[in-house]
Amino acid sequence: DAGITQSPRHKVTETGTPVTLRCHQTENHRYMYWYRQDPGHGLRLIHYSYGVKDTDKGEVSDGYSVSRSKTEDFLLTLESATSSQTSVYFCAITALSDERSTDTQYFGPGTRLTVL
Amino acid sequence: GQQLNQSPQSMFIQEGEDVSMNCTSSSIFNTWLWYKQDPGEGPVLLIALYKAGELTSNGRLTAQFGITRKDSFLNISASIPSDVGIYFCAGQDLRSNFGNEKLTFGTGTRLTIIP
Repeated sequence: DAGITQSPRHKVTETGTPVTLRCHQTENHRYMYWYRQDPGHGLRLIHYSYGVKDTDKGEVSDGYSVSRSKTEDFLLTLESATSSQTSVYFCAITALSDERSTDTQYFGPGTRLTVL
Repeated sequence: GQQLNQSPQSMFIQEGEDVSMNCTSSSIFNTWLWYKQDPGEGPVLLIALYKAGELTSNGRLTAQFGITRKDSFLNISASIPSDVGIYFCAGQDLRSNFGNEKLTFGTGTRLTIIP
């Protein structure tokens, strides 16, 4: 357990409305990530953060923005939600693995977002 | 972008059978990871591989980092009902230089156990 929580766990919204998803971690990890998971595509990186106020784009960043004002929180915002953004969103952190002291990623429980 | 081909896409087996799945990449990775995802949950790390040729076990699970650095294999011996789920491979690009772990994921292998 890497101490990651996501909120909300489920959300239904309408096209054109703004949506913010929250990822919270309790162990002071530097790197945090947002992925979306869709059938046939696996997990695709949306944005990531390598420190407070330091973020960068992943492979599917269009239509999404992120913010990280505190180490423990990484927010994902859909400024104007579209039906194509219906997906399951996962937050992840990078932490040292137990055996090799080498960083690897651990995932939160996910947020299921439906855009009608 | 990079592509990871994971196969098979799905497997239907009987309890007690052994399972094999693999991932191949169009480019070299310097780390291979295997995750399992249960319904409604996030992926959970099973095995991490850091060296070409490495063979690592975690209970009934064994994974190997291919010599070419472009593939990896996961085997599950004597499957049990709790093995049901989706298994994902993930690789870290050798060219990644951010000091973080930017991963590329396979599309998953869905394992179902037939009663």
